[in-house]
Amino acid sequence: AQSVTQLDSHVSVSEGTPVLLRCNYSSSYSPSLFWYVQHPNKGLQLLLKYTSAATLVKGINGFEAEFKKSETSFHLTKPSAHMSDAAEYFCVAGGTSYGKLTFGQGTILTVHP
Amino acid sequence: DGGITQSPKYLFRKEGQNVTLSCEQNLNHDAMYWYRQDPGQGLRLIYYSQIVNDFQKGDIAEGYSVSREKKESFPLTVTSAQKNPTAFYLCASSMGLPSNEQYFGPGTRLTVT
Repeated sequence: AQSVTQLDSHVSVSEGTPVLLRCNYSSSYSPSLFWYVQHPNKGLQLLLKYTSAATLVKGINGFEAEFKKSETSFHLTKPSAHMSDAAEYFCVAGGTSYGKLTFGQGTILTVHP
Repeated sequence: DGGITQSPKYLFRKEGQNVTLSCEQNLNHDAMYWYRQDPGQGLRLIYYSQIVNDFQKGDIAEGYSVSREKKESFPLTVTSAQKNPTAFYLCASSMGLPSNEQYFGPGTRLTVT
């Protein structure tokens, strides 16, 4: 069985400060891992993807994530938050049959001016 | 432009009526998926299809039906048997391999009164 846990349901930061969204996974094999972002009433957009080629993955809009097998973590970071980063973020695991994904519960990021 | 389209964006129905949500993709993806999103519950898989004329139940298939007569189309019918149909519905597609990311449509918000 595979599971994804996002450790914070809400994160609040000030514009220009770093962002850290935490994600732990549980899997009996090495999964593919993704971060998606969802703005209100919109579909999900892929931020970045890990598939074992490199442990530090760079994504769009300045986001990056580091895969740490020993900690079973895949935290998402950004050095400096922008107002447009305010959205809900999902950590997702793949690697099961037929391309099915396992979603975390989501983290809502609020950015204050 | 390649992508996934869902229509309509907002849909209102009376209780007891069946309703069909449209999903079309021009990415030439083999696999397509339907998810339901409720506040605080992340995304839950309703149905998925790996190839034309074949589909499988996801985690919450009761009260829903699908068809996959064409590679590019995967309509979802919400039947009157679905007890709580009001939700945000997201369609996605992928190449179908375990490491493949899914691409999401903009979603349809269904309200049943």
